[in-house]
Amino acid sequence: EAQVTQNPRYLITVTGKKLTVTCSQNMNHEYMSWYRQDPGLGLRQIYYSMNVEVTDKGDVPEGYKVSRKEKRNFPLILESPSPNQTSLYFCASSNRGVDTQYFGPGTRLTVL
Amino acid sequence: AQSVTQLGSHVSVSEGALVLLRCNYSSSVPPYLFWYVQYPNQGLQLLLKYTSAATLVKGINGFEAEFKKSETSFHLTKPSAHMSDAAEYFCAVSSGTASKLTFGTGTRLQVTL
Repeated sequence: EAQVTQNPRYLITVTGKKLTVTCSQNMNHEYMSWYRQDPGLGLRQIYYSMNVEVTDKGDVPEGYKVSRKEKRNFPLILESPSPNQTSLYFCASSNRGVDTQYFGPGTRLTVL
Repeated sequence: AQSVTQLGSHVSVSEGALVLLRCNYSSSVPPYLFWYVQYPNQGLQLLLKYTSAATLVKGINGFEAEFKKSETSFHLTKPSAHMSDAAEYFCAVSSGTASKLTFGTGTRLQVTL
């Protein structure tokens, strides 16, 4: 089954404790993105990747890092999380930039 | 630069009534336009997309949208609402830049009996 998986689905952590949210897709897609969803703000792109070792900033990259060492994986790293990063995070992948994006189920992160 | 404006954060319709969710976009180049739906506690899934072919686009679950360049609009409609249509709907625009997709703030659709 074609899918995008994210782990963990739920995470509660404390300020400053490094964390990684994993994202994996099995569709051999070149493009992958991370978004955060906040009430009243819709989805905002954090980072995206056009292929292995090629990443670029989205609209809200501050406080986040990403890497793309393999085509299928695109982890999101918060090196020193802060409460304003409490949000719902979605990973997405697509064959091309303007193709349909396939979304993961989301990761709800709470930073205390 | 590209942007999307969705008018109305909440829309309520009766079951069987017309659904109209509004989306206006801004793009410096011919846009690609999308409508995504998010059911409670789920990720987003594509309803329909416009990629410069026919201006009237039909999607899943009976939804359709019309691209109107003169009005910079891409409104979503469905002739007859079902209870199962209750969800949040997002309009999105891409100006062709790889993976640069800009979303609107969303419209929550409520369907009442």
